[in-house]
Amino acid sequence: DTGVSQDPRHKITKRGQNVTFRCDPISEHNRLYWYRQTLGQGPEFLTYFQNEAQLEKSRLLSDRFSAERPKGSFSTLEIQRTEQGDSAMYLCASSFDRVYGYTFGSGTRLTVV
Amino acid sequence: KQEVTQIPAALSVPEGENLVLNCSFTDSAIYNLQWFRQDPGKGLTSLLLIQSSQREQTSGRLNASLDKSSGRSTLYIAASQPGDSATYLCAVAYSGAGSYQLTFGKGTKLSVIP
Repeated sequence: DTGVSQDPRHKITKRGQNVTFRCDPISEHNRLYWYRQTLGQGPEFLTYFQNEAQLEKSRLLSDRFSAERPKGSFSTLEIQRTEQGDSAMYLCASSFDRVYGYTFGSGTRLTVV
Repeated sequence: KQEVTQIPAALSVPEGENLVLNCSFTDSAIYNLQWFRQDPGKGLTSLLLIQSSQREQTSGRLNASLDKSSGRSTLYIAASQPGDSATYLCAVAYSGAGSYQLTFGKGTKLSVIP
């Protein structure tokens, strides 16, 4: 297993467009997280899946954001009607169990112009 | 609400020097604490994970300590090298949240001068 994979690495989009990011966690990890990181800040929690169930969402996750994890495997994060304030690095992390810590992907850098 | 603070925000040291990065958190009800490294424009690489029952963890030139009662952790880097230049992030998994989500500090940007 090569770790957590995220696609694309970079995305530039015009304001108002929809974008979708994909995360492939480590195969045996049942816990999956999305975080957002803006310049000079630490990552902030967005949402959490255990298997296919989305169990927690941050208040940062406005109604323009939606995340899915069909069949408890890969996950997608969609942003509708993007705004300039959505420009950030979107990070995915997975974990087998809370005891073992988290493995992060390389992130998707979103730029909204 | 759990808050994590890292001091200093930036640090520049000559190659070969030993250094300490500091992390403090406001709520001692943590499940574990993890130190990460982040290179510019990249994702996070896990360095050390300390469970709440542990006092320290070591990996190579890195040693992380945890004092849960005082809400503090330190990351000690021995014999620093230019390749250690990166931003170091401290994160705590708060046991009061069912997801055990991580709360991060803003990081310490380390520059090791050859």
